[in-house]
Amino acid sequence: AQSVSQHNHHVILSEAASLELGCNYSYGGTVNLFWYVQYPGQHLQLLLKYFSGDPLVKGIKGFEAEFIKSKFSFNLRKPSVQWSDTAEYFCAPSGGGYQKVTFGTGTKLQVIP
Amino acid sequence: GAGVSQSPSNKVTEKGKDVELRCDPISGHTALYWYRQRLGQGLEFLIYFQGNSAPDKSGLPSDRFSAERTGESVSTLTIQRTQQEDSAVYLCASSSYSHQPQHFGDGTRLSIL
Repeated sequence: AQSVSQHNHHVILSEAASLELGCNYSYGGTVNLFWYVQYPGQHLQLLLKYFSGDPLVKGIKGFEAEFIKSKFSFNLRKPSVQWSDTAEYFCAPSGGGYQKVTFGTGTKLQVIP
Repeated sequence: GAGVSQSPSNKVTEKGKDVELRCDPISGHTALYWYRQRLGQGLEFLIYFQGNSAPDKSGLPSDRFSAERTGESVSTLTIQRTQQEDSAVYLCASSSYSHQPQHFGDGTRLSIL
């Protein structure tokens, strides 16, 4: 069965620290990969996506993610976090065709000023 | 343009009552998802509609939960004989195809007394 794993449930960082959130999935074959973010009191929104091509994708607000096919990973990174990055982050892979998207359990990021 | 619209935004009801939640997806979006998000927790997949295909109901927690979608338009999620553990925010999302980014509504906050 298709599955997704986010290793960090709660991450606390100081401002300007670097961030890397892990995401591993179990899909074989074609995979589409998403990261979504939910800021406090707001609804989920797309952070970035990978469909094909360059495995290093850039999203909004300085975030990027790297697709490593051999490791079935799509980790989210940001070189220097800000207090405003405090949010919950969800990795969400999807297989090809009409397969549904599956959300990970989420990682709560708290950035301390 | 118009986003995903959910109604009501808040619903308070007594245990044992039935509730119906509504989702109006973005026009032309063939894929529609329902999720549940309990306080402080991640997304819990409930059901997925893709075009005219049979819905994926694998996430529905019990037979008290059901959902319908008319063609590629509005969807309703019905919870019968509500229980206190049904209290949560129910989120709807739609996408142009199942593997495209999802657009989320603001959710319905359901409180069971």
